[in-house]
Amino acid sequence: QSVLTQPPSASGPPGQRVSISCSGGRFDIGLSPVHWYQHLPGTAPKLLIYSNNQRSSGVPDRFTGSKSGTSASLAISGLQSEDEADYYCAVWDDSVTGYVFGSGTKVTVL
Amino acid sequence: QLQLQESGPGLVRPSETLSLTCAVSGGSVTSNGFYWNWIRQPPGKGLEWLGSIFHTGTTYYNPSLKSRGDISLDTSKNQFFLNLKSVTAADTAIYYCARDPILTGFHEGFDFWGQGILATVSS
Repeated sequence: QSVLTQPPSASGPPGQRVSISCSGGRFDIGLSPVHWYQHLPGTAPKLLIYSNNQRSSGVPDRFTGSKSGTSASLAISGLQSEDEADYYCAVWDDSVTGYVFGSGTKVTVL
Repeated sequence: QLQLQESGPGLVRPSETLSLTCAVSGGSVTSNGFYWNWIRQPPGKGLEWLGSIFHTGTTYYNPSLKSRGDISLDTSKNQFFLNLKSVTAADTAIYYCARDPILTGFHEGFDFWGQGILATVSS
């Protein structure tokens, strides 16, 4: 099953903006909405952004999702120490009739 | 508020079957418009979707499971299950259950998750 491609890491000092890319193909990102998850060690993943750019309830507007063609991105502005986590994109892939996850990006606040 | 809770054995022997239960409260597994999913994370690795079941009983599986996986529902107990046959050490992981709404006609992401359960495959 295909895996969406994400950079393994991203970092920045507090207050800066970081962006995470998620690259797929025409049968996954090209056809279906993209969702983003924040995963802190020892906890369940949390849905941050659903349907490309919709924030889940309680998610601060520092988190922004977007999609264009077969790629998507998650931007975190005003980086805070509590944003240190692993971030995953995910999408329903019609070619395999199932979900695929991105490889994950570890965000570090310097 | 919807809650999901995984349960099952923490240790399974190689070649045996891993059986996990996800108990749902604050909502019904028979509600129209929701898929119920199993997702796992092996140690040091990323998230992997294993499969899902709709309230009608329709199931979808990750092809990488190679027909080892079986997901089912018990509507009377408001639970759903994962049975993973012929396990190996590669199946050692934290297993999560999660809900995926499809109310708009598109899959809307895993909005509610269980806390996860560690299943270790070892003799």
